[in-house]
Amino acid sequence: GQNIDQPTEMTATEGAIVQINCTYQTSGFNGLFWYQQHAGEAPTFLSYNVLDGLEEKGRFSSFLSRSKGYSYLLLKELQMKDSASYLCAVRDPLGTYKYIFGTGTRLKVLA
Amino acid sequence: DAMVIQNPRYQVTQFGKPVTLSCSQTLNHNVMYWYQQKSSQAPKLLFHYYDKDFNNEADTPDNFQSRRPNTSFCFLDIRSPGLGDAAMYLCATSGGRNTEAFFGQGTRLTVV
Repeated sequence: GQNIDQPTEMTATEGAIVQINCTYQTSGFNGLFWYQQHAGEAPTFLSYNVLDGLEEKGRFSSFLSRSKGYSYLLLKELQMKDSASYLCAVRDPLGTYKYIFGTGTRLKVLA
Repeated sequence: DAMVIQNPRYQVTQFGKPVTLSCSQTLNHNVMYWYQQKSSQAPKLLFHYYDKDFNNEADTPDNFQSRRPNTSFCFLDIRSPGLGDAAMYLCATSGGRNTEAFFGQGTRLTVV
């Protein structure tokens, strides 16, 4: 079966650092993706990991450990506009290019 | 410039009345997806196309159908919408193995 777990909600303060975790148990793996989704809008791509380690993109970084089935998204210097849901998605490797999403973590950034 | 365009953004339909949602893309991507997303839930894959090859998820109800007449366009047909089909419908595209999925703005469907 396919299972992707994320915390439901997190709260952090403007200017702080927050880490959003994602664990996955899937029948295969061909990359892990992080998306940001504001309420009522479409997901937008943030970051992608296919090999173990850290990928850094400005204020956002994502880490992957394939042996542990674990990833995290790190957001630095939080801004109010970062209040959104953050979705973790695993891509199915079986040639069909399916993306399987977790339920997302709703992040609230407080002033 | 929008690369994946969904029309309409908001759709109200009557219970049982067929409705079609449309999606177009300017990315020339091989793969197109339809996801259903209900409030506070994960996007749920309904089906996807690789070129003209159609891949239906095992748990997608027969009430949902799709057409892809060419690379640029894809349609979602709901033959007899029920109240439980009210959701955001997201269209996405992907260029292949090492690229992310690009999403349209979504169509929010209300069933009355």
